[in-house]
Amino acid sequence: EIVLTQSPGTLSLSPGERATLSCRASQSVSSSYLAWYQQKPGQAPRLLIYGASSRATGIPDRFSGSGSGTDFTLTISRLEPEDFAVYYCQQYGSSPRGTFGGGTKVEIK
Amino acid sequence: EVQLVESGGGLVKPGGSLRLSCAASGFTFSSYSMNWVRQAPGKGLEWVSSISSSSSYIYYADSVKGRFTISRDNAKNSLYLQMNSLRAEDTAVYYCARDRELAPLDYWGQGTLVTVSS
Repeated sequence: EIVLTQSPGTLSLSPGERATLSCRASQSVSSSYLAWYQQKPGQAPRLLIYGASSRATGIPDRFSGSGSGTDFTLTISRLEPEDFAVYYCQQYGSSPRGTFGGGTKVEIK
Repeated sequence: EVQLVESGGGLVKPGGSLRLSCAASGFTFSSYSMNWVRQAPGKGLEWVSSISSSSSYIYYADSVKGRFTISRDNAKNSLYLQMNSLRAEDTAVYYCARDRELAPLDYWGQGTLVTVSS
């Protein structure tokens, strides 16, 4: 089973700053089948990035994903007020399907 | 517009049973695999179960195997989760979400809360 470890647990930043979130896998993620989701309080998760670096429909280009193998990164180039949320990575290339990381909370400093 | 609407949550005693439903609309339901993902209060996301488009392939997390049963009715555009022998640790918001083989969960419902407590 692939275990995903996200860091840091919490990121305290100001609007306009750059956010860099990490997701590390315990073993290589097949063909970069790695996704990122954003979740705001009281809402369902929303798909941001898939295939490690492809933005989902309607996602602003300030969100970008990179990485391969076991190390992946989500970058938010300039934080907007609506970007303060919890972010989860997920691998979907091997069983059990849909393994999630523990999440990174991006909070207002 | 893709819509997934969960129902069936509520308060149940330990050892009890509950059946969740997810009504799908706005897409060809029979072409997609479907999933249940849960989130305990204040915690992260936990994948629970998946079912392929034709119900040929079914998977469960170890934490629910033998207690939960996923099923679907493509004629009714509906997904189900039968939950038996419920435990306090099953307390969570349960989301249904769709995907395809080797694809992420691209649409999620708003969730239904299951509380297991005496």
